[in-house]
Amino acid sequence: QKEVEQDPGPLSVPEGAIVSLNCTYSNSAFQYFMWYRQYSRKGPELLMYTYSSGNKEDGRFTAQVDKSSKYISLFIRDSQPSDSATYLCAMSDPGGTSYGKLTFGQGTILTVHP
Amino acid sequence: NAGVTQTPKFQVLKTGQSMTLQCAQDMNHEYMSWYRQDPGMGLRLIHYSVGAGITDQGEVPNGYNVSRSTTEDFPLRLLSAAPSQTSVYFCASSLTSGRVQYFGPGTRLTVL
Repeated sequence: QKEVEQDPGPLSVPEGAIVSLNCTYSNSAFQYFMWYRQYSRKGPELLMYTYSSGNKEDGRFTAQVDKSSKYISLFIRDSQPSDSATYLCAMSDPGGTSYGKLTFGQGTILTVHP
Repeated sequence: NAGVTQTPKFQVLKTGQSMTLQCAQDMNHEYMSWYRQDPGMGLRLIHYSVGAGITDQGEVPNGYNVSRSTTEDFPLRLLSAAPSQTSVYFCASSLTSGRVQYFGPGTRLTVL
């Protein structure tokens, strides 16, 4: 079983839809949770990050972390064609034996069509 | 402030050739790392460094060497390229280990 599971999609939605992207994980030591957006043939770009449980909102994007369920989500409101990209969840344990490395999900391919 | 830069953007090698992928950051970050990204495999950690003079192996280190003589630079060396090393390589940095990492634009490497 992978430490981080993410549905690879692909996910196709109409413009204006609410998009929900999710990851589950098995390592209870993870403390930092991130979402990256990666456009085709580009590097991953940090979208949002949260520390421990809770919600964080930034414009049309909301990140949620539920550590009790080992589940994180990214919501995109009023989705736009420019949101079409691969979305990667990532998480890290700052201590322990992992030396702070990020563990990534497989990425979900999202297409928002006009 | 350029962030994380990588050169070259593209490279084609023949089996057995060696080369160095360059990575530099201007954010004074202590932690730097190299990933490779392959279809269906996600991002996999090759090597990482927690500061100048300190490096360690990640998940897939075989066939790669790194060094960190300065805070800014973290080159990745392919010793004897193999077709299995065809991939997209990303360098990333963060202020300290375990925190948010910032990625470079990537190097697309093809080994024939």
